[in-house]
Amino acid sequence: GENVEQHPSTLSVQEGDSAVIKCTYSDSASNYFPWYKQELGKGPQLIIDIRSNVGEKKDQRIAVTLNKTAKHFSLHITETQPEDSAVYFCAASLPAGNTPLVFGKGTRLSVIA
Amino acid sequence: ETGVTQTPRHLVMGMTNKKSLKCEQHLGHNAMYWYKQSAKKPLELMFVYSLEERVENNSVPSRFSPECPNSSHLFLHLHTLQPEDSALYLCASSQQTGRNEKLFFGSGTQLSVL
Repeated sequence: GENVEQHPSTLSVQEGDSAVIKCTYSDSASNYFPWYKQELGKGPQLIIDIRSNVGEKKDQRIAVTLNKTAKHFSLHITETQPEDSAVYFCAASLPAGNTPLVFGKGTRLSVIA
Repeated sequence: ETGVTQTPRHLVMGMTNKKSLKCEQHLGHNAMYWYKQSAKKPLELMFVYSLEERVENNSVPSRFSPECPNSSHLFLHLHTLQPEDSALYLCASSQQTGRNEKLFFGSGTQLSVL
């Protein structure tokens, strides 16, 4: 089955700097790659997703890139703010049937003011 | 507010107790899920329901028993749990199962088994 590895497990950045979180997946047939943000005391919330037919997607300060050949995808957050502090999860999904998402272990991002 | 509400937020139970977790979604979705979140582990899918029918059961011990009486409500009945079952239990919903659907999570129930 699919396996998703996520790095780093923790990341600290100064406010205003950029943050990058990387994930690799094992099954080349995976075609959907969402990113979820989990704030303290809340459940994960989808912040951005990308499908395998595109290489990059942006939404204001966040962007996701996908390299299908290398089977890795990354989350980029620019001009980080304290409210970006949270745990971020990447995930991958195969296209067929009721295949559930496979999640990475998460990255705890701390933005230092 | 994600439209998915879980109760209780916190639960402490002994290994011989029976308790239930409740989830309700107000999004008109057809699929509902239970996930287990433990420290330093990926989110673990436990059960999937589509239109009140269980479509996935990820080798979960029988001491966890799900119930989906309608497409808006999902329960997780707990009995004779073990300390290693202590975790955050998350409910989620989506429009349909599969097809790369976006998941909407509740805030979870933090469960401690003594």
